[in-house]
Parts: sequence; C-alpha cells; structure tokens
Amino acid sequence: DQQVKQNSPSLSVQEGRISILNCDYTNSMFDYFLWYKKYPAEGPTFLISISSIKDKNEDGRFTVFLNKSAKHLSLHIVPSQPGDSAVYFCAAGRGYNAGNMLTFGGGTRLMVKP
Amino acid sequence: DSGVTQTPKHLITATGQRVTLRCSPRSGDLSVYWYQQSLDQGLQFLIQYYNGEERAKGNILERFSAQQFPDLHSELNLSSLELGDSALYFCASSGGYGNQPQHFGDGTRLSIL
Repeated sequence: DQQVKQNSPSLSVQEGRISILNCDYTNSMFDYFLWYKKYPAEGPTFLISISSIKDKNEDGRFTVFLNKSAKHLSLHIVPSQPGDSAVYFCAAGRGYNAGNMLTFGGGTRLMVKP
Repeated sequence: DSGVTQTPKHLITATGQRVTLRCSPRSGDLSVYWYQQSLDQGLQFLIQYYNGEERAKGNILERFSAQQFPDLHSELNLSSLELGDSALYFCASSGGYGNQPQHFGDGTRLSIL
C-alpha cells in the first residue's frame, strides 16, 4: 500500500518556465512534508518542507503548496534551470517529536531543456 | 556536502555472507535513519536510532540489525545475504527534535553475486 505517490514518473520543461511536481498521500496522520532532489550517484538533498499547519512555504525559486483536504502537495520551481534536472522525491512524516521516519514517493525525473 | 558520511561507497560480496555498513551523522545530530533503495523503487525506511536507542522500525528484515554507538555513529549489519538484498543503502541524520529535515549521505551500493 503506497501511502505517498508521485504519479508522474517524468516531466520535461523548457528553461525559464515553471516546473510543477505533484504528490498525493493517503495517510491523514502525516503532518510534515518534504521535497528532496537527487542527482545520480548522490544521496537525496533536502529542498524544502512544509508543516500541515501551513498551506504554502517559499524558499527562493522553490514553493511548496499543501492541500490537506485533497491530500495533495506540489512543488513549483520558477524559473526552471538546466541544473534543476534531477529526480525529485516527496516525503511525508508523522508527529511533531524528536525525528521521525519518512515515507517517500517513487520520484519524478525532471528534465529542464536549455 | 550534507555532512553525513557513509562507508564504504561500494560493496561486492556473495550470497550467505555478512557485511557492515557504517554511517557518521552530521555534527550535532542525534538521530540516525537507515533507508534501502532497491532497483526502480523509492526509498524504504528500515530503522531509526536516537541518541543510542532504537526509536522506530520499518520493514527491516530479521537478518538485518543496526546500532548507534556513544559517539553517535551507526552501523547497519546485513547477514545471510541474498541476491535480493542488492540495493543502495542510505543513512540520514537529523537534529533529533521537532520536525527537522533529514540529511542524507551518498549511500553504500551493495551488490550480491
């Protein structure tokens, strides 16, 4: 049972345009969500997170939106750059305590064309 | 550089053998997590340690075990290895309080021949 799903295995966008990556979850107990970027032969790199008490969090070119009623979150990258080409994972966690396991989606490969 | 160090980067061994993967967390981080990424699959949580004690357990096989030492480094022990254990094993660490993001090492690629 996949509790976190990224239904698009890949996405291709033009440099300078907006990239929108989507993620759906089923477990209503999740209250903390993160996006990671992964290059080949490297570990996932933390990008941005959002708590369930918010519906938007912004950091530079990256914005994460959370729609709790739809159990859906998205990552917007504006403007997209060729260096953004990577696999993006969304992840979800439960409970506000000292660290917690994360449940990951299967990833979306983003390709930004020059 | 995430500050999380994993050794070795690559490990090749045979079925039935035992291996130990090592992880040094970021300075100051009390929590260590282990994840497995098999071919074409997302990251699957295995186990978490917080300040030396087991905190959470995921889909970790009984053949696998882990521990966190007083200096906070962690080791993941995999025994009676099977072909299906071939995967990338990632370690992550976090501050250990509140909702802090986990920071990942570059992983150990385990190949079972």
